[in-house]
This record gives sequence, C-alpha cells and structure tokens, in this order.
Amino acid sequence: SQTIHQWPATLVQPVGSPLSLECTVEGTSNPNLYWYRQAAGRGLQLLFYSVGIGQISSEVPQNLSASRPQDRQFILSSKKLLLSDSGFYLCAWSRGVRTDTQYFGPGTRLTVI
Amino acid sequence: QKEVEQNSGPLSVPEGAIASLNCTYSDRGSQSFFWYRQYSGKSPELIMSIYSNGDKEDGRFTAQLNKASQYVSLLIRDSQPSDSATYLCAVCDSSYKLIFGSGTRLLVRP
Repeated sequence: SQTIHQWPATLVQPVGSPLSLECTVEGTSNPNLYWYRQAAGRGLQLLFYSVGIGQISSEVPQNLSASRPQDRQFILSSKKLLLSDSGFYLCAWSRGVRTDTQYFGPGTRLTVI
Repeated sequence: QKEVEQNSGPLSVPEGAIASLNCTYSDRGSQSFFWYRQYSGKSPELIMSIYSNGDKEDGRFTAQLNKASQYVSLLIRDSQPSDSATYLCAVCDSSYKLIFGSGTRLLVRP
C-alpha cells in the first residue's frame, strides 16, 4: 500500500528565516505530487504540482519554491519567510492520470513569528 | 474564476439522523468529484469519489452528482458523534486542477 510522509510535523520560524519542508511517498512509482497550503479556517490552495523529476508547475506567485530531486520526493522551500506564510502545508500524491484521487500526507503546521 | 461553493455551517444533526452536505461548482467541464473529511488539526482524508451522474453508495455514505445542475452532495446515514468534522468538496476542473470548497462543519449531537 502507498504511504506519504511529511516532516517536520510542526515548525515555528522567525520572519526572514529559510524554510525546507519535505514530502516522500512510498509504495508507488512516478506519482503526481502536490503542495497545498491551508490558512486557518480556509480552503486548500494549490501551490505547486509535479508530474515527474525536475518538473514543477507553480500555481501562485510568491516567495516559495518547490523541487523534485527524486521520483518520490517533493520539497517546499523559501529563502526568507513572511508572516503570511503561516499555515498548514499539505503534500498530496495521485497516480498518473491527473483526474485521479489525491491522497494527503499528515501535514506540517508552520507558524512564522 | 472557477469556484466550488459550500455552506460553512455548522450543520448540527442528532445522532442517528441523516446529514446532508451540499456543494456547487462553476466549471461545466469538471470531470471528477471528491468528498474529503478533515478533523480539526488533521489532514483531509478521502471519503468518496464520483465521476458520473447519479448516486454512489459506500457504507453509510452516499455521494450524489448532478452535472446538469452542477451540484454534488454527500449524505451520511446514521450519523455518529465521530462523524463530527469539516467536510471538503473538491472538483477536478477542465484544466485538471483540483479546486476545493472551504468546507462544511458538521456537528453530530449525542
């Protein structure tokens, strides 16, 4: 069966500090991978998606970036965090067909102070 | 802007009742539809997916899709206190992007 991991689970970072969140998927190959952000009491906002190694599409212009160095690894980064970057960051995967179901990891709760 | 609309609630039902959650979407070219449950502080977990008009049943859950009316719903029969959560409707639109509603909070009273 497939499993998706995210770490860290929680993170408190000062404004202006860098960020690196990691997501890995087990039990499947060549998944589509997604990064979402959920602000408090809000819906999910798609940030990035990837259909393969090195292939990243950005949905929202911002100070975040994503990379996919390996087939089942997806990383979300920032060079300098803003207060508005606070939120619940969720990684998700789906099979090759983009209309297919997306399955979510446990999430990382980021608080920027 | 493509949208998915849900009533934020809370929807309060007594234990054992049927809970009815509704969702409308704006993109007529949408292809697949999903319901996720999200407990407070946790990530969304899939309940149901539905791709064609009509009803789809899975245990106590029934998803209903009406593409002509651009409407999708989720019925929860014999509601339990453990069903209390936020239910997210998600629609895969014509550009293969999954659009989420802001969710409906369900409270099941013991």
